Amino acid sequence: NAGVTQTPKFQVLKTGQSMTLQCAQDMNHEYMSWYRQDPGMGLRLIHYSVGAGITDQGEVPNGYNVSRSTTEDFPLRLLSAAPSQTSVYFCASSDTGTGGNEQFFGPGTRLTVL
Amino acid sequence: TQLLEQSPQFLSIQEGENLTVYCNSSSVFSSLQWYRQEPGEGPVLLVTVVTGGEVKKLKRLTFQFGDARKDSSLHITAAQPGDTGLYLCAGDNAGNMLTFGGGTRLMVKP
Repeated sequence: NAGVTQTPKFQVLKTGQSMTLQCAQDMNHEYMSWYRQDPGMGLRLIHYSVGAGITDQGEVPNGYNVSRSTTEDFPLRLLSAAPSQTSVYFCASSDTGTGGNEQFFGPGTRLTVL
Repeated sequence: TQLLEQSPQFLSIQEGENLTVYCNSSSVFSSLQWYRQEPGEGPVLLVTVVTGGEVKKLKRLTFQFGDARKDSSLHITAAQPGDTGLYLCAGDNAGNMLTFGGGTRLMVKP
């Protein structure tokens, strides 16, 4: 099992550009989520999904879109990048939601917006 | 918005010393988890505590969940350089959203 994979590992964008961060898991997990990590602020939830076709907003959803067409994939889209979106992004998955379940994290994508 | 405050933010100690990290909130959580993160990697789960007053041990690490399920602590006995990393607590409100604390960055010097 590869677990949770994320691509790319590093990305530099100019303000206003768009891009998609890819996330895939091979554990047949129903729950997937995206977090951003900024210095001193831990991880903040952007969007999450409890299954294919179902997504919901987290704590900091503005500027980000998601979709979940398959169980395996959960891409995160930035439609018009802003410098405030410079961060490290982590995708995570778990069997059935958060209720005490272990979250398996990917290795992260380090994004810089100039 | 539920908040989790972790203290201290930074901790630098010598090998063999003991330390305690705290995770506090004004909100009640249905469960609380501790994760450890190393540079360039995602967090990895250490433990989940569910019952108020619960104590769990993982080798030299002892985790406690407060009686009111609003706070937790992580105690490391005889710290080793391999314990170096970022420790994160995360609370679950049973609403499919985890709230993370700001993290405690621990450095253990040989």
